[in-house]
Amino acid sequence: GAGVSQSPRYKVAKRGQDVALRCDPISGHVSLFWYQQALGQGPEFLTYFQNEAQLDKSGLPSDRFFAERPEGSVSTLKIQRTQQEDSAVYLCASSGGNEKLFFGSGTQLSVL
Amino acid sequence: LAKTTQPISMDSYEGQEVNITCSHNNIATNDYITWYQQFPSQGPRFIIQGYKTKVTNEVASLFIPADRKSSTLSLPRVSLSDTAVYYCLVGDDSGYSTLTFGKGTMLLVSP
Repeated sequence: GAGVSQSPRYKVAKRGQDVALRCDPISGHVSLFWYQQALGQGPEFLTYFQNEAQLDKSGLPSDRFFAERPEGSVSTLKIQRTQQEDSAVYLCASSGGNEKLFFGSGTQLSVL
Repeated sequence: LAKTTQPISMDSYEGQEVNITCSHNNIATNDYITWYQQFPSQGPRFIIQGYKTKVTNEVASLFIPADRKSSTLSLPRVSLSDTAVYYCLVGDDSGYSTLTFGKGTMLLVSP
């Protein structure tokens, strides 16, 4: 596609529910990033992929967060047993290099 | 990772030039400086990137002094639609770096 696509755009989950957020990067982009953005804050790094390899997951806040990119293209961020503090916008970005990131519009997750 | 410091907010009027300065005292030799713009309910959008001296594109200019410990994003003749949050990031071009966003600068442009 022309840009980074994320789905769903909005997600409401009950506390304890598992959720899966999808990211379709720009075709051919090797690098893929996930960020979490709380209201009024800048995006916080979660994890980074280079092709299918997850090279850095130091930003994942707990073991309830899991990300994958099995074929080096589409990525899924999964959050198990969601908590209220997980409520945020989850942003995906892809890059072909030189640190120029292309972001999707994000998935706004609300945990009730 | 080089940490960046920006003003939390700035106010301007339509038609004025706006300069937003970012401090990055421990920038590394291989680090580039990149600025992003973010509107509500959207992901950040790339504005400009530079390594040293001056870079200009159709949207903005980026001024980087010789010591590279700071940089200034210059927006000429801002309009209401330039109201947004602006982020300064520092990172290398190895293709592997965890780019760190700060809180950014909230620019409010008034009529």
